Order: sequence, then structure tokens, then C-alpha cells
Amino acid sequence: DAGVTQSPTHLIKTRGQQVTLRCSPKSGHDTVSWYQQALGQGPQFIFQYYEEEERQRGNFPDRFSGHQFPNYSSELNVNALLLGDSALYLCASSSPGLAGGQETQYFGPGTRLLVL
Amino acid sequence: GQSLEQPSEVTAVEGAIVQINCTYQTSGFYGLSWYQQHDGGAPTFLSYNALDGLEETGRFSSFLSRSDSYGYLLLQELQMKDSASYFCAVRFPRRGADGLTFGKGTHLIIQP
Repeated sequence: DAGVTQSPTHLIKTRGQQVTLRCSPKSGHDTVSWYQQALGQGPQFIFQYYEEEERQRGNFPDRFSGHQFPNYSSELNVNALLLGDSALYLCASSSPGLAGGQETQYFGPGTRLLVL
Repeated sequence: GQSLEQPSEVTAVEGAIVQINCTYQTSGFYGLSWYQQHDGGAPTFLSYNALDGLEETGRFSSFLSRSDSYGYLLLQELQMKDSASYFCAVRFPRRGADGLTFGKGTHLIIQP
């Protein structure tokens, strides 16, 4: 049973560029959430996707956008990259219909993005 | 506002017991969760308190008191592999969606 997978593992971009990060949820999960984790901080909620729609959004600008596909996989897009976007980007999957509900979120290994 | 406060660092000895506290200034959340994250790794779910009281899962226990706006994670029989960061987190019901709000984390250092 594959867990949550993310690609790429590491990425280096320059200011102003655009980036796309990818996530495949754990088998049986239909909800994908994205988080940004700066060094030494807790994960910050970006947004959540369910049934191919954005259900909830954290305090992030419109430069951050996403998409969910029919197979429940998801992408996170960040436009006009800033130095401050350098962080670990985590994808988490869950399913409201399963035991543990939304409190038990399964995280992927993350994509470490460095903006120069 | 919605904020969770944790000590930034706690040090304990192998084999001992340690308690990591989480206080919050928020309301209307479903319950309190705890996650563990090793350096360079992904957060992994440890425990969840939907109601006030103690939840026990092996060497780990978690407690919640909504009246005191306080919770804690208790780790017993500490092992070197328990060295990691520990985060408390809450989920707010809004439009039926379920993003988690995390504290800044507590770095647990285990000494032999």
C-alpha cells in the first residue's frame, strides 16, 4: 500500500519563476491538503482539495494555486517566486469517511524548494 | 486569533518520561492532534483528543482540557529514536473543510 508520494524531492528556482509540485495521495484517500513549512516552524496550511475543487484556503496569496485530478492526485503551482517562498512543501491526504477522519492526515516526504 | 503555543525545546534522559505542553488561544475547534517529525522527514500522526481527558497509545499519551485551553503529549520510556520535533495541531470546521493549524513545534532532545 503506497503512502503519499511527492515529486520532485528538491528544486532550485530563481525569483520570478514559476514552479509546479506534484502529489499522489495514499490509496483510498480522496482529500489532499498542501502545507508550507519554513525552517524551524510548524507547517502552514495553504489549501485543501476535494472532488477536484478547492474547499478551504489558508492565508496565502493568489500566487499559490492548485488543482486536483479525477484520480485524486494534486498539483501546487506557485507563480512569481519570491525568496521567502523557500521552504519545504508538504502534501497530506485524508478521507472523511475513514476511521480517524481528518485528524489523521498522512503526509508525504515533501518537496524542498530553494528560491535564489 | 488562532494560535498554539509550545516550548521550543525540551531535553530529557533515555528511559525517562517527558511532557510537552500545548496552550492555545482559540475556540470552536474539533479537537487536538499531535504529530511527530524527524529531521528531514514528514510529520506523522501520533494522537488525537476529540474530548477532554486522556488518550493512551502505547508509550504515548495525550491530554486535553478545553476549560483550561491546554493539552499535553506524554512520552514514557523514552528511546533515542524519540528525538524529533513534536507539533500540536487543531482543525477548524469551516465549509466542511479540514486544514490543520499547527503550533511551531517542540524539539525534543534525548540524552543517554
